[in-house]
Amino acid sequence: EPEVTQTPSHQVTQMGQEVILRCVPISNHLYFYWYRQILGQKVEFLVSFYNNEISEKSEIFDDQFSVERPDGSNFTLKIRSTKLEDSAMYFCASRAGTGKGTDTQYFGPGTRLTVL
Amino acid sequence: RKEVEQDPGPFNVPEGATVAFNCTYSNSASQSFFWYRQDCRKEPKLLMSVYSSGNEDGRFTAQLNRASQYISLLIRDSKLSDSATYLCVVIFKAAGNKLTFGGGTRVLVKP
Repeated sequence: EPEVTQTPSHQVTQMGQEVILRCVPISNHLYFYWYRQILGQKVEFLVSFYNNEISEKSEIFDDQFSVERPDGSNFTLKIRSTKLEDSAMYFCASRAGTGKGTDTQYFGPGTRLTVL
Repeated sequence: RKEVEQDPGPFNVPEGATVAFNCTYSNSASQSFFWYRQDCRKEPKLLMSVYSSGNEDGRFTAQLNRASQYISLLIRDSKLSDSATYLCVVIFKAAGNKLTFGGGTRVLVKP
């Protein structure tokens, strides 16, 4: 069964450093998302991406964040200058966009980001 | 008012018993509803979509009540493996297709 993959599984970084979180969505999917979940809190939407551009972003997704689809398979989230409060689990998700169940988003296993 | 609210639990359930819990949502202009399951420190996994007429998938039954703005999940014949956090998820109209999550209801099935 196709699945979303993410790397690394755990990233530890110093405050102020840049991090890039990587995702490989399901191959025929058209819509891509990043969510985050701070420990003990609910899952929160960050950004959605379609047709090589951001379609929607939340208040959390400020100028420190960016997303990119550098090739036909990868989807990345960059945090330019990490803060302590960026420590969270970051989930990538993808959605087919056509056909049955087009609303369904499938999640990757997540990257645990720890900012020291 | 929070957009999607859930009782955090935990619901302690004897193995083999039935458990049910609800989720309320704030916006009547809601498009799609889902139950996801999340195990500790893992990703959310789709359990089932929730349809207007209600739907069943094995031991799991989901209901939607648009008038009262809530959805429910019922688990019959609980298994130890059903222990998890159940996330209520809503797609609101005019909000693109972003998922709005509730805080989750924790279910612990005990022998």
